[in-house]
Amino acid sequence: QVQLQESGPGLVKPSETLSLTCTVSSYFIRSDNYWGWIRQPPGKGLEWIGSIYHSGSTYYNPSLKSRVTLSVDTSKNQFSLKLSSVTAADTAVYYCARGCSGGRCPVDYWGRGTLVTVSS
Amino acid sequence: QTVVTQEPSLSVSPGGTVTLTCGLSSGSVSTNYYPSWFQQTPGQAPRTLIYSTNTRSSGVPDRFSGSILGNKAALTITGARADDESDYYCVLYMGSAISGWVFGGGTKLTVL
Repeated sequence: QVQLQESGPGLVKPSETLSLTCTVSSYFIRSDNYWGWIRQPPGKGLEWIGSIYHSGSTYYNPSLKSRVTLSVDTSKNQFSLKLSSVTAADTAVYYCARGCSGGRCPVDYWGRGTLVTVSS
Repeated sequence: QTVVTQEPSLSVSPGGTVTLTCGLSSGSVSTNYYPSWFQQTPGQAPRTLIYSTNTRSSGVPDRFSGSILGNKAALTITGARADDESDYYCVLYMGSAISGWVFGGGTKLTVL
């Protein structure tokens, strides 16, 4: 069964760049799936950030598009998120996810999530 | 910008049936929006229940079903159990060139 594990700093300073990596296990990242990121501020709802295909094709949440970059490293079976110019509003649990085959959903399998706090 | 709407809270009796809905602030939901449903208990990652309107994710019991009811997507839970008490989120596809995937605000389901 596919497993996803987020990794990266748990604390980021305001105005800096948040960087997270998702390592995919027991599944080939070159399969017909998009790979995505979703976040959840403490006590609030879910927000889709963006998704990437193994070819590098991406699409992003318009409200975050100017600050987000997704990338994929097929040799390591990983994909990554960079979010620039962070503020306290970017404090959230960040989940990486596998999308359904054929793009029919943004996520069928979730990582456990990692809390990223933006604070000086 | 189109908003995805969900009931903030609902309740159901043990053994009962409840329907949660997922709508649009403007327009009707159809299968073209590929509605998905997720269940989340406090402190846990969400779990995918339904995708592409009515396809159950692996391991999800058939007590959970998805459909289009009128102008909204719907998640119906039959034979409600105490451990169904969770937050439920839907998501709709607005098109990759527009907004991508947009989540609803979630429904807090109480089983009492």
